[in-house]
Amino acid sequence: AQSVTQLDSQVPVFEEAPVELRCNYSSSVSVYLFWYVQYPNQGLQLLLKYLSGSTLVESINGFEAEFNKSQTSFHLRKPSVHISDTAEYFCAVSRYSSASKIIFGSGTRLSIRP
Amino acid sequence: NAGVTQTPKFQVLKTGQSMTLQCAQDMNHEYMSWYRQDPGMGLRLIHYSVGAGITDQGEVPNGYNVSRSTTEDFPLRLLSAAPSQTSVYFCASSYSTGQLNSPLHFGNGTRLTVT
Repeated sequence: AQSVTQLDSQVPVFEEAPVELRCNYSSSVSVYLFWYVQYPNQGLQLLLKYLSGSTLVESINGFEAEFNKSQTSFHLRKPSVHISDTAEYFCAVSRYSSASKIIFGSGTRLSIRP
Repeated sequence: NAGVTQTPKFQVLKTGQSMTLQCAQDMNHEYMSWYRQDPGMGLRLIHYSVGAGITDQGEVPNGYNVSRSTTEDFPLRLLSAAPSQTSVYFCASSYSTGQLNSPLHFGNGTRLTVT
């Protein structure tokens, strides 16, 4: 069975500092990987995804994640965060090409201090 | 473009009461689904549908019913509310039949408290 672990439930950082949100998954077969973001009082939005091809994927707002098969990780990074990045971030994994098979992690709450 | 609309935003029920959470999307998405979000547990899939007239169970279906009579609407029914169903509920939809090259679009959630 597949599972996904987000190692930090909360990550506080100062504005303009770099941040890494960690995500590890367990699966013996190929997987598809996602990061979703949930801003306060809103639903989740897709931030970025890895389906195939380049292992480094980027979002339009400066986040990036790298698929590392040997370490079964898909950590999310940003070199300089802004107050507007305050949100909860969910890593998700799926073995199958169907949305009904996506497994979500427990989330990491990113809080930005001015 | 409204996207995915959920009503109500908040609801308080007494144990044993029934109610329906509404979800509507105006994007002509074939795939629709319901999740519950609990602290420290992420999102768990309750039920999903790949098209009108077709529904299936997710990870945690017990205590919930769904139907899909139209492409636009996917209501979630709680038959007899229990305190364990206190949660935030999200409806999500996706183009086509939920293939992963199409992202999930989420509503803003319904916060349900069962006393």
